[in-house]
Amino acid sequence: GENVEQHPSTLSVQEGDSAVIKCTYSDSASNYFPWYKQELGKRPQLIIDIRSNVGEKKDQRIAVTLNKTAKHFSLHITETQPEDSAVYFCAASISQAGTALIFGKGTTLSVSS
Amino acid sequence: SAVISQKPSRDICQRGTSLTIQCQVDSQVTMMFWYRQQPGQSLTLIATANQGSEATYESGFVIDKFPISRPNLTFSTLTVSNMSPEDSSIYLCSALGQSRNTIYFGEGSWLTVV
Repeated sequence: GENVEQHPSTLSVQEGDSAVIKCTYSDSASNYFPWYKQELGKRPQLIIDIRSNVGEKKDQRIAVTLNKTAKHFSLHITETQPEDSAVYFCAASISQAGTALIFGKGTTLSVSS
Repeated sequence: SAVISQKPSRDICQRGTSLTIQCQVDSQVTMMFWYRQQPGQSLTLIATANQGSEATYESGFVIDKFPISRPNLTFSTLTVSNMSPEDSSIYLCSALGQSRNTIYFGEGSWLTVV
């Protein structure tokens, strides 16, 4: 089955810096790659996703890149702000087959002002 | 879009007891899933809830401990049986929309076993 590895487990940046979180997946059939942000005491919230027919997607300060050949995808946050501090999870699934999301172990991002 | 309601949202349970969590979706979905998130951990898939048949469990999860029902397309239950403090977790219901393009999550059920 699918296995998703996520690095780093913790990331500390200064406000205004960029943050990059990387994930690799094992199942070459996976074609849907979402990123979730989870704040303390809340459920994970989808922040951006990418499908295997595109290599990059951007939404304001966040972007995701996908390299299907290497089976890895990354989350990029630019101009970080203290409110970006949270736990971020990557995930992968085969969407049309209806498989469940398999999650990485998470990255705790701390943005200090 | 779909809205997923989970009940209870929180509970404190005595060890050795069982608790059933309900998950209701406000529109038809294709697949429904149950996840567990232990404190400080990631989301781990427990099982896929199959309509009208036995759930498909992931490695490490068994039906006797986590019985699941899905009597129709929009409703599912997860029971956590014979609870121990190690079962203290958030349990999340998830559903795949009919277009198979969107995955939804419920608010989660926060269980503490004492």
